[in-house]
Amino acid sequence: AQTVTQSQPEMSVQEAETVTLSCTYDTSENNYYLFWYKQPPSRQMILVIRQEAYKQQNATENRFSVNFQKAAKSFSLKISDSQLGDTAMYFCAFMKHVSGSSNTGKLIFGQGTTLQVKP
Amino acid sequence: DADVTQTPRNRITKTGKRIMLECSQTKGHDRMYWYRQDPGLGLRLIYYSFDVKDINKGEISDGYSVSRQAQAKFSLSLESAIPNQTALYFCATSDPSGRVDTQYFGPGTRLTVL
Repeated sequence: AQTVTQSQPEMSVQEAETVTLSCTYDTSENNYYLFWYKQPPSRQMILVIRQEAYKQQNATENRFSVNFQKAAKSFSLKISDSQLGDTAMYFCAFMKHVSGSSNTGKLIFGQGTTLQVKP
Repeated sequence: DADVTQTPRNRITKTGKRIMLECSQTKGHDRMYWYRQDPGLGLRLIYYSFDVKDINKGEISDGYSVSRQAQAKFSLSLESAIPNQTALYFCATSDPSGRVDTQYFGPGTRLTVL
């Protein structure tokens, strides 16, 4: 069974600084996908970024980028130029890929990291 | 307008009551999911449906049932609510035809069982 671990329950960062959120996962699968979701105080779950395991290049979305280390089973999220609106809980999630058919579609989530951006 | 809507947004009920949470989507996605979120545990899958005729149990389906009334509608029922079902419930949808089967979430329903 796959597991996802976020070892930092809470973090804080000054506005305009850079912060990195950690995520590790355990799987015997070779093909899978990894995601970061953001949950602001409004509680809406918002997709931040996604990574396909077969791609060596790290995904980036504007100020958000990942450091994907497949051998180490690590998938950290870096937020550059932090903004007050980045204050939220961040969830790392894993989805395995089933070859020969559509993806299973089942996400496995970590426990979440609460990020506070301070002015 | 939101692509994935959930009703109600908040609900307080009593132990033993039957509760239905509803999810509707305008994204045209075949796949729909129900999750619950508890502090310190992240989100856990309750049920999922890959099309109208396909319903599958997730990680924590005991005490819950679902109904897929149409492609756009997926309801979650608690037949006899108990206090440990107090949680935040999310509906999600996805379209597997893309390269990555990314899930998009509704705004959540906060359920409190007294």
